[in-house]
Amino acid sequence: DIQMTQSPASLSASLGETVTIECLASEDIYSNLAWYQQKPGKSPQLLIYYANSLNDGVPSRFSGSGSGTQYSLKINSLQSEDVSIYFCQQNYDSPWTFGGGTKLELK
Amino acid sequence: QVQLQQSGAELVKPGSSVKISCKASGYTFTSYDMHWIKQQPGNGLEWIGWIYPGNGNTKYNQKFNGKATLTADKSSSTAYMQLSSLTSEDSAVYFCARSGFMYGVMDAWGQGASVTVSS
Repeated sequence: DIQMTQSPASLSASLGETVTIECLASEDIYSNLAWYQQKPGKSPQLLIYYANSLNDGVPSRFSGSGSGTQYSLKINSLQSEDVSIYFCQQNYDSPWTFGGGTKLELK
Repeated sequence: QVQLQQSGAELVKPGSSVKISCKASGYTFTSYDMHWIKQQPGNGLEWIGWIYPGNGNTKYNQKFNGKATLTADKSSSTAYMQLSSLTSEDSAVYFCARSGFMYGVMDAWGQGASVTVSS
């Protein structure tokens, strides 16, 4: 199975800041990487697919980048509604696997 | 709009089975894969498997072979997951999620169904 390692596990930032979350795959996943946002008590929602493609309706302050085994999610100008847990997921090879999550809080 | 409505919370005894449902609306049920994902408290997400309702084909995470059984009823646009021989390790929230526009990318999720295994 492909292992997905996310960092940091938790993150505290101020409103208006830019934050970056990293995701490392145990092997090359050829940009088959999605990011999900899970707000407290809710189900995950797709933010980004194929490493850098924004899902419909997702604010443009979210962006994804990376290739090979290293990927990142960037949130520009942090808003209060961005407080969530963020997960990466590889969809290159079954079984699909997720990172352990990054809990983003406001400072 | 696309909606996946899951059944309610379940409290079940160790050794028993439980069947969770996921009713789809707002899209052609038979044209998209339906995935099932497990989330334990404080833990991440684990992919259990998927079913293609169009022909009933399934694929499971080997870890859940023998634990989960996925089925789908085209007439009611409802997907089901049965979990058997339940233990405390099966206590979790279970999500159904659709994928289709890109293989393995889950673009719509149910609200989750909580399963608690306790005597």
